Order: sequence, then C-alpha cells, then structure tokens
Amino acid sequence: DVKVTQSSRYLVKRTGEKVFLECVQDMDHENMFWYRQDPGLGLRLIYFSYDVKMKEKGDIPEGYSVSREKKERFSLILESASTNQTSMYLCASTVLAGGTPYRGELFFGEGSRLTVL
Amino acid sequence: SQQGEEDPQALSIQEGENATMNCSYKTSINNLQWYRQNSGRGLVHLILIRSNEREKHSGRLRVTLDTSKKSSSLLITASRAADTASYFCASPRYGNKLVFGAGTILRVKS
Repeated sequence: DVKVTQSSRYLVKRTGEKVFLECVQDMDHENMFWYRQDPGLGLRLIYFSYDVKMKEKGDIPEGYSVSREKKERFSLILESASTNQTSMYLCASTVLAGGTPYRGELFFGEGSRLTVL
Repeated sequence: SQQGEEDPQALSIQEGENATMNCSYKTSINNLQWYRQNSGRGLVHLILIRSNEREKHSGRLRVTLDTSKKSSSLLITASRAADTASYFCASPRYGNKLVFGAGTILRVKS
C-alpha cells in the first residue's frame, strides 16, 4: 500500500516558536505538496516540490518555508509561529505524468493539526 | 479564489438514499478529481474524470462532467452510514495548480 506519513498528528506550540512538520512518502513520487485546510476555505496550497531541492510557491507561502533534501521527505517550516497559522496541515504526493504533476491522483497523509497559542 | 465550488455545502440523507453533490469550476481543465475526507483525517482519492469523458463509474459512485457548463456531479447510490464524510472536487487551474473547493459535508443517518 502506498503511504504518506506525517510525523505529528497534533501539535501545540507557542507564538514565536519554530515549528517543523515532516512528511515522508514511500512511493518514489517526484512531487510533494503542503496544503493547509481551514473550515469553509477548502485546501489551499502553501508550497510544492517537483524534485529534490526544488520548490515552488503555492497560493499562501507567506510565513512558511520548505525543505526537500531527499526525494521521500518534504518538510514544512514555520519560522515564527503565529496564532493565524493554527490549522490542519496536509501533505500529499503524486507522480509526474505528462509533464505536469496535476494529471494524476494525489496521495495524502493523515494531517497534522497545529494549534498556536 | 477557489477553482471548484461544491454545492450543497451540507447534505443530510437517510441510509439507502442517493446523494448528489455538484461542483462548478471556472477555467478549462484536462481532468477533474473527487476526494473524500473522513472527519479529522487526510483526503482519499475517489475518482478522476478526464475532459474528454462525460461519465465514469466506480462501484456505487457515478461522476459526470459537462465541460460546456463547467460543472461536475458526484452521485453516491444506496448510501451507507460509512459514507458520512466531506467530499471535495479538485481541478487543475490553468493546467498547473490543483485547486480544491470548500467541500460538501455529507451526513448519512442510519
């Protein structure tokens, strides 16, 4: 079975703390994504990566950075957490098909629910 | 803005009834996908329909796509309590980013 694993299901952090969210996939997928999900807003793309050390901004990259040092691992970093970053964070991966990562299905992790106090 | 907009926002039905959810999008697409999310969990891919397809089936799921109206529908037949979840449509925007709608919350009462 394909698997995307997010390191933490629930985190509670304080304002100003640095937060790392880790995501690992075992499917040898080229593309990995970080979304945040908020009620009534659906999923919004923060960053995605189409190869090791490659990244591209999504719709809401402000306040976030990412790291992809190995193909299977994609990390989301909140340099200085703020209360408006309290949210559900979802990692996903997919193969590269037809020159674009968006022609196939995304495989999601279980999500990391972050609360910033 | 969201590429996909689901309708209705919430739907409550009895077990055994059919559930229909609709999705509208704004720009041309090469495919449209439907996902399911159980409460507090990640999304699971249900079905992908390509722009040259009009209808696709998978078990109790039936998806239609009308590119002239820029809309899609997901029909779940003979619903079960276990179908209770949120359902999202997603489509590539400008052929690049995959954009999700806000979802339809389905509750199936037993």
